[in-house]
Amino acid sequence: AQSVTQLGSHVSVSEGALVLLRCNYSSSVPPYLFWYVQYPNQGLQLLLKYTSAATLVKGINGFEAEFKKSETSFHLTKPSAHMSDAAEYFCAVSSGNTPLVFGKGTRLSVIA
Amino acid sequence: NAGVMQNPRHLVRRRGQEARLRCSPMKGHSHVYWYRQLPEEGLKFMVYLQKENIIDESGMPKERFSAEFPKEGPSILRIQQVVRGDSAAYFCASSPASGGDIQYFGAGTRLSVL
Repeated sequence: AQSVTQLGSHVSVSEGALVLLRCNYSSSVPPYLFWYVQYPNQGLQLLLKYTSAATLVKGINGFEAEFKKSETSFHLTKPSAHMSDAAEYFCAVSSGNTPLVFGKGTRLSVIA
Repeated sequence: NAGVMQNPRHLVRRRGQEARLRCSPMKGHSHVYWYRQLPEEGLKFMVYLQKENIIDESGMPKERFSAEFPKEGPSILRIQQVVRGDSAAYFCASSPASGGDIQYFGAGTRLSVL
């Protein structure tokens, strides 16, 4: 079975500050890992994905994530937060032939 | 190139009525997934379908819920005799093939049961 734990249901940062959203996964097989963003009353948009290529994955809107097998982590970062980054962020895992298993999400607030 | 289309966006039903949620996948996509999002929760997998086949329904409640993806037309998630606990956002996602491919999500249908 696979699972995802997102540490911190709510993260608040100042505009221009570093964004760090934490995700730890559990998987008995090599995982495929994803970060999605959800804006209010909208669907999920893919930010980035890891599928066993480079461990540092660059996504859209300046986000990136690093796969660390030893720590079973896939944390999402952005060097400088923008007001438009305020949204809900979901980490998800699959094994390549299974549906996505999502974390509970982290709500990011950006303070001017 | 239209994305995943879900309709209706909002659906209000009284207890005991039926709810039908529709999902048209992206062009060229033959795999459809349904997820449910309860308030303050992440998305929970419900069912995975290919054209005319249910591949995995391990996340579907055993009663009142059913899904189909016919050869022609959209995928349908059907909830019979709705109860207040069915109130949630239901999201559909599609992918061109199984196995690590990106799932593209629709905007969801928000079901409210009065």
